[in-house]
Amino acid sequence: DTEVTQTPKHLVMGMTNKKSLKCEQHMGHRAMYWYKQKAKKPPELMFVYSYEKLSINESVPSRFSPECPNSSLLNLHLHALQPEDSALYLCASSLRTENTEAFFGQGTRLTVV
Amino acid sequence: AQKITQTQPGMFVQEKEAVTLDCTYDTSDQSYGLFWYKQPSSGEMIFLIYQGSYDEQNATEGRYSLNFQKARKSANLVISASQLGDSAMYFCAMRRWIARQLTFGSGTQLTVLP
Repeated sequence: DTEVTQTPKHLVMGMTNKKSLKCEQHMGHRAMYWYKQKAKKPPELMFVYSYEKLSINESVPSRFSPECPNSSLLNLHLHALQPEDSALYLCASSLRTENTEAFFGQGTRLTVV
Repeated sequence: AQKITQTQPGMFVQEKEAVTLDCTYDTSDQSYGLFWYKQPSSGEMIFLIYQGSYDEQNATEGRYSLNFQKARKSANLVISASQLGDSAMYFCAMRRWIARQLTFGSGTQLTVLP
């Protein structure tokens, strides 16, 4: 099983809504990542979890709140988002945070209205 | 700081022909990894190939090969016998040995023509 599964695939939410993005992997990977990708641009790192602990927060606004309940799951809680937060949100995992490839999920296309 | 440069915003190739996607990088580190990912319009980032900075042989994975020229700091992706399904955005990325995140280039949109 080399899959990273993200749900939902598409999400439309209002600026006052609270929603969560979910990411799951069963490859025994101990590093998990959230990236944000705008159209025609490369992914931008948001958060890194290493062994279920947050190790990097790339100055992401507090309206994005990550959570890693266990080694297989990664959530991204969304609250009071802005229209400019509309993007593709990609989850990835890797065996460790050192020099190993990262496997990505299909992403969640988020639209904030 | 690390930087990845992909100078070809878009490329066209005829089906069954080979194509080279360019990638240059800038780092002062001795130990690092170079990666290529494919992103179809569906959005998923698909890992294609990896080259470690100490690897003496160029990496190959099926129709994909990485032309690694360390002195020139280039890591070009070669796709042989292009297929229509190869049409996608291709990203070159680098990770320092001790770093956690990937640094991505700006991407190259490849279109395979029938």
